[in-house]
This record gives sequence, structure tokens and C-alpha cells, in this order.
Amino acid sequence: GESVGLHLPTLSVQEGDNSIINCAYSNSASDYFIWYKQESGKGPQFIIDIRSNMDKRQGQRVTVLLNKTVKHLSLQIAATQPGDSAVYFCAENPNTGNQFYFGTGTSLTVIP
Amino acid sequence: GAGVSQTPSNKVTEKGKYVELRCDPISGHTALYWYRQSLGQGPEFLIYFQGTGAADDSGLPNDRFFAVRPEGSVSTLKIQRTERGDSAVYLCASSVTGPASPLHFGNGTRLTVT
Repeated sequence: GESVGLHLPTLSVQEGDNSIINCAYSNSASDYFIWYKQESGKGPQFIIDIRSNMDKRQGQRVTVLLNKTVKHLSLQIAATQPGDSAVYFCAENPNTGNQFYFGTGTSLTVIP
Repeated sequence: GAGVSQTPSNKVTEKGKYVELRCDPISGHTALYWYRQSLGQGPEFLIYFQGTGAADDSGLPNDRFFAVRPEGSVSTLKIQRTERGDSAVYLCASSVTGPASPLHFGNGTRLTVT
């Protein structure tokens, strides 16, 4: 099976600081990646995606970086807010596959 | 617009019983997925529909699990002879075209088998 893992299971940051959540993936054939945010009792919410032909993609307060050489993905959240507290998952899709593989998740806690 | 809707939000059933979980995807989305999420884990793939047909059911754990999408919209996940190990949150997601587009998830059905 696929292996999508996160380096840090928990992360605490001060409100207003920047957050970085990391993800390692194992399948070099993966060409599409998504970051999801999941709050308690809710389903995963799409944040941002990136395809393998890109190294960086920016959204509103979020940036995703993709390093295909070391098979590493990161999510940067600028000026972290209390509402950003949640579990964050990275998901990968190999170009031959029908499914997305999810990591275990990183729990982000924002300290007011 | 309306997101993915799943009913019921919670289901408690006794071991050995049959359950049905319903998913109403985003209108116009041709692809529909079922995932299962255990506490503290990421979602695990169960089955993927493209239109009315199951394009990939490789994630279904055994033959007690079955899913249908007869008209290419609403889908039902069916679990026969439930076991305590089936307890989890069952998530449904839809996407515009399939694996090359983002999945949009519902809030899930929390299934508890007693």
C-alpha cells in the first residue's frame, strides 16, 4: 500500500505566528496532492492542491511547497488564527490510481 | 451551493444487524467516493464510483460491504452482519471528474456497533 506520513503528529503555535506542517510521501509516481483541514465532528475540508508540475502554489494565507526530489510536501499557514486549530491531512494520488491516500494527520493548536 | 450531504449523522446498531448509509453528492459531480475513518487516523478508501458504476471497489474490506449508485447521483453504502470492528466514521466525497480533481467531503456518518 501507499505510505503517506507526517513528521509531527502535533503542533502548537502562537496566534499570529506562521505554521508549517510537513508531509512525506512514498510513491514517486504521485502527481497530485491535496491538503485538507478537519475540525472535530466534521469532514475534511479542501484547503489547497498542487500538481507535480509545480513546486509552489499559494492561496489565501496558505502556501503549499512540493519537493519531488525528496518526496516532501509542506503547508505553510501565515498569521495563524485560532480558527486554524484543526487536524491537517495531506493526500496523494498516483497517476495510475483512482484513490487518494491520506496521511495520519497533524493536530494544529493555536494558542491565543 | 449545497455541499455533500450524508445521513444519518449518527447510527448506533447492534452486532449482526444490517445498516444503510446514504450520500447525496454535490450536483453535477460525476465521481463519488466512500472512505472510512477510524479515530486518530486518516481516511481510508473504500470505493469509487464514476457515474453509476463502481470504477474501483478495491478498498471494501470484505463481502459484507456493498455500495450502489443506481442513478449516478445518490449513493448508499450497505453493511451486512455488522461487527464491532465496523465502528468508524464513514465519509462520502464527490468530485467534478474523478481522481484528477479535488474531493469534497460530507461530514460523515458515525457508525457505532454495540
